[in-house]
Amino acid sequence: AQSVTQPDIHITVSEGASLELRCNYSYGATPYLFWYVQSPGQGLQLLLKYFSGDTLVQGIKGFEAEFKRSQSSFNLRKPSVHWSDAAEYFCAVGGGSQGNLIFGKGTKLSVKP
Amino acid sequence: NAGVMQNPRHLVRRRGQEARLRCSPMKGHSHVYWYRQLPEEGLKFMVYLQKENIIDESGMPKERFSAEFPKEGPSILRIQQVVRGDSAAYFCASSPRAGGYQETQYFGPGTRLLVL
Repeated sequence: AQSVTQPDIHITVSEGASLELRCNYSYGATPYLFWYVQSPGQGLQLLLKYFSGDTLVQGIKGFEAEFKRSQSSFNLRKPSVHWSDAAEYFCAVGGGSQGNLIFGKGTKLSVKP
Repeated sequence: NAGVMQNPRHLVRRRGQEARLRCSPMKGHSHVYWYRQLPEEGLKFMVYLQKENIIDESGMPKERFSAEFPKEGPSILRIQQVVRGDSAAYFCASSPRAGGYQETQYFGPGTRLLVL
């Protein structure tokens, strides 16, 4: 069965430091992969997505993610974190027959001044 | 261009009552997905609808839950005889057309349902 694992429930980084959020997926075919961000009390905003081609994907707000098929991973990175990046981040794989998404449990990011 | 609208944003119900959650997709979007987020969990797919059709309801609980997306008006997720375990955030997402994952899903702000 398709699944997404985000091993880190909560991460704290200092403002200006680099960030990497981990995501591992289980999927039988070529995966369609997504990262979403959710601010408190808000809906989800798409950061980036991977369908095919270049394995390094650029997204909004300075985020990027790298697809590694051999490791079944799609980790999210940002070189320098801003306080406004504090939020919850969800990795998702397109797993359903009709385009519905399968989400990981999320990683909550806190940013220290 | 308004985004996906959901109302109410917060809903409190007592056990046994009915909850009706509404979702207005983005303008020009005719595909709607409903997801449920339980506390400390990721979002779980519930149902996928197009106008007047349920395409995939594999994630819907077998009883008490129903969804519709009429020709006119918002999509409605209806929960009858709510129980405490229904307390969750319910998110709606819309996309402009069928295309599986190629079409980005745009999410609304969610409805937080609390069952007392």
